[in-house]
Amino acid sequence: QVQLVESGGGVVQPGRSLRLSCAASGFSFSTYRMHWVRQAPAKGLEWVASISYDGGKIYYADSVKGRFTVSRDNSKNTAYLQMNSLRAEDTAVYYCGSGGDYDLAFWGQGTLVTISS
Amino acid sequence: QSALTQPPSASGSPGQSVTISCTGTSSDVGGYSYVSWYQHHPGKAPKLMIYEVSKRPSGVPDRFSGSKSGNTASLTVSGLQAEDEADYYCSSYAGSNNHLIFGGGTKLTVL
Repeated sequence: QVQLVESGGGVVQPGRSLRLSCAASGFSFSTYRMHWVRQAPAKGLEWVASISYDGGKIYYADSVKGRFTVSRDNSKNTAYLQMNSLRAEDTAVYYCGSGGDYDLAFWGQGTLVTISS
Repeated sequence: QSALTQPPSASGSPGQSVTISCTGTSSDVGGYSYVSWYQHHPGKAPKLMIYEVSKRPSGVPDRFSGSKSGNTASLTVSGLQAEDEADYYCSSYAGSNNHLIFGGGTKLTVL
């Protein structure tokens, strides 16, 4: 069955970097757009970034543009979110998702990122 | 890009129907037929309930239905059941610059 597993979360200081990974299985990863969505504590869902099936089209939310970079390795069925210059407001559970260009039928369980000094 | 507007809460008794609204603009909800709805139980992965305004993924009960009029999309849950109690989020395609945006979420309580 379809499975998405995020990893790489943790506690980091403001201004530092972190890279999240999303390992996919059970579907044809290389043919699907991948998305990253986050949920800050006691807040709603926020779309963060997405990358097309071949990496040719990438989009970012204004809140992370210039600091976050999304990428993928289709040979490893894995998507990545490189997060630089982290801020306290980036504290959230980060989910990867896929299924459609504009909807997420598949979701991971999420990985918690905490930005704290 | 501002989040789509949803009521913070909604409620209904078992067996009743409840409708949750999601209001955007002509640049998102009103401009495209790419509105989705997600059910989110705290601590779990969100679940896609409706996509492309009114389509149901396989396995989603037909008690869940979606619609859109102008800049407002709606999710209707008929025959409320206890397990429907969750947070519900709408999302919409918002063009190539903003791509996707979510609503603020609605907490559905089954009384």
